[in-house]
Amino acid sequence: GQGVEQPAKLMSVEGTFARVNCTYSTSGFNGLSWYQQREGQAPVFLSYVVLDGLKDSGHFSTFLSRSNGYSYLLLTELQIKDSASYLCAVSPYNTNTGKLTFGDGTVLTVKP
Amino acid sequence: DAGVTQTPRHEVAEKGQTIILKCEPVSGHNDLFWYRQTKIQGLELLSYFRSKSLMEDGGAFKDRFKAEMLNSSFSTLKIQPTEPKDSAVYLCASSGLAYYAEQFFGPGTRLTVL
Repeated sequence: GQGVEQPAKLMSVEGTFARVNCTYSTSGFNGLSWYQQREGQAPVFLSYVVLDGLKDSGHFSTFLSRSNGYSYLLLTELQIKDSASYLCAVSPYNTNTGKLTFGDGTVLTVKP
Repeated sequence: DAGVTQTPRHEVAEKGQTIILKCEPVSGHNDLFWYRQTKIQGLELLSYFRSKSLMEDGGAFKDRFKAEMLNSSFSTLKIQPTEPKDSAVYLCASSGLAYYAEQFFGPGTRLTVL
């Protein structure tokens, strides 16, 4: 996605953790969302961040640094079923719009 | 509450045909989006409606793609004429004004153009 960049692939091991990175350079910033998309299924909303710092939500946590245009999704105690594509999406405008700019997604593979 | 519904789930078309995809958003949502998803291009925005008004028509997709929203609970995406490069998954999503960050996606229509 234009202005939103993610690594294409990531691999990790069951029981450990994985950090999915996202960098953005968009005009204006209203917040950043994370979605999970399993193979053959539609994206499902996971989390939304607008303030700097770490937002701990248990299995999924998110971090945001607005000054650096950077966010990550942290998955802990990985399970095989966490294997999926993870997309970050930025609301790039300061005006009232629902449009999101999506990254191309990071395919996470969790190995036994 | 019903989520976003899309029909058909699968569509096979011959090159040059006209196809119409359908979407029903979550009841009460004001924003509706049509996306195309491929492994190479990722998620591409085709059209965006707010309260039935077209806000964005996806630039590069203007020629053969036309989305309409005649009422708040139903939208269509017409592709005319279809080309093999249109083979992709077409996703419809909706969101509410109160929390636009969360888009609810339908299951998608997988289109194959021969």
